[in-house]
Amino acid sequence: SQQGEEDPQALSIQEGENATMNCSYKTSINNLQWYRQNSGRGLVHLILIRSNEREKHSGRLRVTLDTSKKSSSLLITASRAADTASYFCATGDMNYGGSQGNLIFGKGTKLSVKP
Amino acid sequence: KAGVTQTPRYLIKTRGQQVTLSCSPISGHRSVSWYQQTPGQGLQFLFEYFSETQRNKGNFPGRFSGRQFSNSRSEMNVSTLELGDSALYLCASSFGLAGGWGETQYFGPGTRLLVL
Repeated sequence: SQQGEEDPQALSIQEGENATMNCSYKTSINNLQWYRQNSGRGLVHLILIRSNEREKHSGRLRVTLDTSKKSSSLLITASRAADTASYFCATGDMNYGGSQGNLIFGKGTKLSVKP
Repeated sequence: KAGVTQTPRYLIKTRGQQVTLSCSPISGHRSVSWYQQTPGQGLQFLFEYFSETQRNKGNFPGRFSGRQFSNSRSEMNVSTLELGDSALYLCASSFGLAGGWGETQYFGPGTRLLVL
């Protein structure tokens, strides 16, 4: 089952512009994570935001979390061609009673940054 | 610190065959999770192993199985392959500590399986 749903499904921008991706989820969470995947490769962890945090920064990344709306957004500022990738939000599966082992991913936003 | 490694990287099999994929986690990580990624279904959780025990299991048929060894390395096996099993199989490792959900996962590069 999908927990996070990213929006938009695809985004095409020019280098230097900002890119914003949104994620909605269904159940209560402990934290929410964002991952990046370059074409057909493994996922790279970008940032983790806890349920008691509202905003977090890491370099050119800014993540916000609104637990009342069950939504999060990822902002990439001053995008570069190298940011071209798919971006996924992921949450821990509460159904497993708090065990660690799995994340539930959305279908991702495919970002294309044109030079 | 070496990252998560997966072997083989690419595999071609025919329907009905079985396949074994291997994953070596980051040193010190005791949890290994497996995910299947397809264009249609996206990333789906298969199972998680922690200290040689399956701790979580996703909604996949019994043809999908796995195991973990004492050094935390893990293997997954798919028996009686079907065309729909063609996918990118990703493993991820973490410390697997108790007390919080959704620990950061460190992913390997994946094994791309093609079933003909």
